[in-house]
Amino acid sequence: EAQVTQNPRYLITVTGKKLTVTCSQNMNHEYMSWYRQDPGLGLRQIYYSMNVEVTDKGDVPEGYKVSRKEKRNFPLILESPSPNQTSLYFCASSSPPRDRWDNEQFFGPGTRLTVL
Amino acid sequence: AQKITQTQPGMFVQEKEAVTLDCTYDTSDPSYGLFWYKQPSSGEMIFLIYQGSYDQQNATEGRYSLNFQKARKSANLVISASQLGDSAMYFCAMREDLNAGNNRKLIWGLGTSLAVNP
Repeated sequence: EAQVTQNPRYLITVTGKKLTVTCSQNMNHEYMSWYRQDPGLGLRQIYYSMNVEVTDKGDVPEGYKVSRKEKRNFPLILESPSPNQTSLYFCASSSPPRDRWDNEQFFGPGTRLTVL
Repeated sequence: AQKITQTQPGMFVQEKEAVTLDCTYDTSDPSYGLFWYKQPSSGEMIFLIYQGSYDQQNATEGRYSLNFQKARKSANLVISASQLGDSAMYFCAMREDLNAGNNRKLIWGLGTSLAVNP
């Protein structure tokens, strides 16, 4: 089954304790992206990756790191989490658009993070 | 300025009736894509339908159709024959500059909460 998986699904942590949210897709997609969803702000892009070893900042990259060592994996790293990073995080992937049917982005199930 | 505007924070509809969720957008790109996603209370983001700016016909996917009015910059989602399982948040999103091929970032509206009444 084609899917994007994220782990953990739920996480409560404390300020300053490094954490990693994993994201993996089994569709051989080149493009992957991280979003955070906050009430009143909608979804905002954190980082994206066009392919292995190619990553770039989105709209809200501060406080986050990513890596893309393998095509299937795109982990999101919070080196020193703070309470303002409490949010719902989504990983997404897509293949290069060839026609109208290829513009779909596949989303993971989301990771609900609380930083105390 | 908001690039995607969803003016209805909440909507109610009777089961089996049709409902239209509004979305207006703002872009100067001649080439763009418009998407609708559904987010149930469980939190996952489910793709519903896509409309390309150059598509001549309105997109349809089962009970979902997109009423695309390019001159008015609107892309309303129409759900026909509503079901109880349609109760969820619905998000309109846009991807600009389709031909650039780089960041495929989606720009999102704030969503409309739809409740289907039995």
